[in-house]
Amino acid sequence: EVQLLESGGTLVQPGGSLRLSCGASGFTFNNYAVSWVRQAPGKGLEWVSAISGSGASTYYADSVKGRFTISRDNSKSTVYLQMNSVRADDTAVYFCAKDIESSSSYYFDYWGQGTLVTVSS
Amino acid sequence: DIVMTQSPDSLAVSLGERATINCKSSQSLLYNSKNKNYLAWYQQRPGQPPKLLVYWASTRESGVPDRFSGSGSGTDFTLTISSLQAEDVAVYYCQQYYITPPAFGQGTKVEIK
Repeated sequence: EVQLLESGGTLVQPGGSLRLSCGASGFTFNNYAVSWVRQAPGKGLEWVSAISGSGASTYYADSVKGRFTISRDNSKSTVYLQMNSVRADDTAVYFCAKDIESSSSYYFDYWGQGTLVTVSS
Repeated sequence: DIVMTQSPDSLAVSLGERATINCKSSQSLLYNSKNKNYLAWYQQRPGQPPKLLVYWASTRESGVPDRFSGSGSGTDFTLTISSLQAEDVAVYYCQQYYITPPAFGQGTKVEIK
């Protein structure tokens, strides 16, 4: 059974940093790209970042480029999202989602339950 | 970037009746050489993560009830629930994956009338 489990969400002050983790199981992890998708309270879905199965290619939304860094450790079946210089509009539930391909972002067949990031002083 | 626009924003349908959700993209999602439309649909029930319903615009994901169907090509797509059930109350999103960044529509909330 495919499972994705996010962790690391917390209350953080504007300008601060935090790292989210997404642990995966139930599939050959390095064969698939993984994305982070966020959802602000009461709002829709926004794609944030993606990383290819090998980790060689990364992609970012303009809204987070230069502030967030995605990475993965295939030996631990885990994807990370390092969030720096966070702002109030980064407040959201962050989902990790498994892609159906290894190379870039297509569609997402499995999603985690999400982790809440709140940016507030 | 491609912009996805759904309509309506919300709709209320009686149990057993048809629900139709539209999704329009700012450019064609049809990859001609593969004859595939790079469009997916998701269902998000309250307090839950999104769930994949349809991909390649019209291919139903395994385990999804056959009352859900996707159609359309190019820039105009539709998700149809042929006979609304109580468990279908949710927000539905379309998503393009023709180019990066992938983009979602704003969502359509489906309720029971």
